[in-house]
Amino acid sequence: KQEVTQIPAALSVPEGENLVLNCSFTDSAIYNLQWFRQDPGKGLTSLLLIQSSQREQTSGRLNASLDKSSGRSTLYIAASQPGDSATYLCAVPGSARQLTFGSGTQLTVLP
Amino acid sequence: NAGVMQNPRHLVRRRGQEARLRCSPMKGHSHVYWYRQLPEEGLKFMVYLQKENIIDESGMPKERFSAEFPKEGPSILRIQQVVRGDSAAYFCASSPAVGRNTEAFFGQGTRLTVV
Repeated sequence: KQEVTQIPAALSVPEGENLVLNCSFTDSAIYNLQWFRQDPGKGLTSLLLIQSSQREQTSGRLNASLDKSSGRSTLYIAASQPGDSATYLCAVPGSARQLTFGSGTQLTVLP
Repeated sequence: NAGVMQNPRHLVRRRGQEARLRCSPMKGHSHVYWYRQLPEEGLKFMVYLQKENIIDESGMPKERFSAEFPKEGPSILRIQQVVRGDSAAYFCASSPAVGRNTEAFFGQGTRLTVV
């Protein structure tokens, strides 16, 4: 059974800092890994989908890396802004593409 | 092309009542997934449906919960005789197909409060 873990559970940084969020998974036989953002009381916004054959995927200030062999992914956020404050979730699909989510990292960027 | 539409956004039910949550997938999407997010917990998979078929319901509670995705109309998640522990955010996601890297798109969720 796939298990996904995210550390830290919460992170508070001053504006402008670069930061890294971590995600680990127990079953390395994955098709892809997806990073989402969730704002309080809102739905999920897909940030990046990194395929199992890829090592990195970039979108603007975001960069996601994937190391299948070690069961790890990182989400790097450059030059953080207060608007980046949200909960960040990583998820991996199962055989029927249903997603197993980590419990998330709650990020606060202080102005 | 509208996104995944869920309604209602907020739903309040008294204990023992029924709750019906609706999800209209994106146009052209025939695969629907339901997830539940309990307070202070992560998102958990509940059920996966294609048109008129339940493909995987391994995450559904054994009693009181059911789901359908009819040929016409939205997918429905139905909770009978709700209890306080059912209070949660329920999210629906849809995808066009089940390929290796098919991306699922999420709705805004329905927040159920049982009083």
